[in-house]
Amino acid sequence: EIVLTQSPGTLSLSPGERATLSCRASQSVTSGYLTWYQQKPGQAPRLLIYGVSTRATGIPDRFSGSGSGTDFTLTITRLEPEDFAVYYCQQYVRSPTFGQGTRLEIK
Amino acid sequence: QVTLKESGPVLVKPTETLTLTCTVSGFSLSNVRMGVSWIRQPPGKALEWLGNIYSNDGESYSSSMKSRLSISKDTSKSQVVLTMTDMDPVDTATYYCAQIDRWFGDFDSWGQGTLVTVSS
Repeated sequence: EIVLTQSPGTLSLSPGERATLSCRASQSVTSGYLTWYQQKPGQAPRLLIYGVSTRATGIPDRFSGSGSGTDFTLTITRLEPEDFAVYYCQQYVRSPTFGQGTRLEIK
Repeated sequence: QVTLKESGPVLVKPTETLTLTCTVSGFSLSNVRMGVSWIRQPPGKALEWLGNIYSNDGESYSSSMKSRLSISKDTSKSQVVLTMTDMDPVDTATYYCAQIDRWFGDFDSWGQGTLVTVSS
């Protein structure tokens, strides 16, 4: 099973700033199936980025994904108030696993 | 528009069997590309994948949960059923069903989730 480790655990930033979230895999995600989700309190996760870098339908272009192998990054340029949430990465090589999440909070 | 909705008990007793139903619309359970997964999230904790079902190649389960899980589907009713045996208080969580895209290994659409509490 591939373990995903997200860092930092909590990120405190202000609206308008840039956020960089990291996801590191214990083994190479050879399939390229690396996905990012956003989850707000009391809501189901929402698909943001799939296939490492492809934005899902309706996702603003301030969200971008990058990386390969074992190291992946979600970048949010110019944070908007609605971006403050928990973000999860997820991989699917042999079976899906999720990271433990990064909480993006307002500074 | 794809929608998924979970239904089932909100409270189960320890050692009982949990049965949850996911009713889908906007896509067919006979679609070879899209499947349905079950994922859970204990309060304040991370997401945990439980298992998948596709139209043409059966089910797959989390290795840690495999002995307790069963996923089945009724294509004519557009329903997917999760059965989890021997429930324990640590199984208290919000249970989600989600549409999985086998081309990209991602969960495209999610149900609203249902909170299941395990307590005597």
